[in-house]
Amino acid sequence: EAGVAQSPRYKIIEKRQSVAFWCNPISGHATLYWYQQILGQGPKLLIQFQNNGVVDDSQLPKDRFSAERLKGVDSTLKIQPAKLEDSAVYLCASSFGREKLFFGSGTQLSVL
Amino acid sequence: QQPVQSPQAVILREGEDAVINCSSSKALYSVHWYRQKHGEAPVFLMILLKGGEQKGHEKISASFNEKKQQSSLYLTASQLSYSGTYFCGTLDQGAQKLVFGQGTRLTINP
Repeated sequence: EAGVAQSPRYKIIEKRQSVAFWCNPISGHATLYWYQQILGQGPKLLIQFQNNGVVDDSQLPKDRFSAERLKGVDSTLKIQPAKLEDSAVYLCASSFGREKLFFGSGTQLSVL
Repeated sequence: QQPVQSPQAVILREGEDAVINCSSSKALYSVHWYRQKHGEAPVFLMILLKGGEQKGHEKISASFNEKKQQSSLYLTASQLSYSGTYFCGTLDQGAQKLVFGQGTRLTINP
């Protein structure tokens, strides 16, 4: 069974630049999550999709972050413009309902 | 509301036991446990639903006390491979999002 695919694996940008991350969940998983994990902390939920509808985006900084899930499969997370405090690992995960989450390898973002 | 984990860090010798606790201020529907090794994504260990059940996974087991809104993860006869950061994730009754604790770093020395 293929896992959750994410790209790129690493990204280095300068502040005020834009960046986009891509995620392809496990086939058949209706729920897709984007988490932000700052070094030494637990994953923080940014946005959760059920199919292509948003379930929760209460902690998404909407002035600079946006996310979409077209056709209820792939998803992209965008940051524009980036700030120094956005440096973190961005984890995509998917699940079948309320069951266990399967995480992708993550994208490590460094904002200089 | 982020669950609170304790302790923040544990250092053990191989073969020793450890307990990691997770508590919430809200009524819980379920508790998830994940382990994350350095530079890797979190990996699912187990999920406990309300009902006070206890589950096991090799020498790792967990309990869930819904009245106290607490869960505990038990690692017995720890192995070097158990090293990593353990996260609990809680799902509130009626909520749909999984919220993770701040993590407990476990170090196993030979």
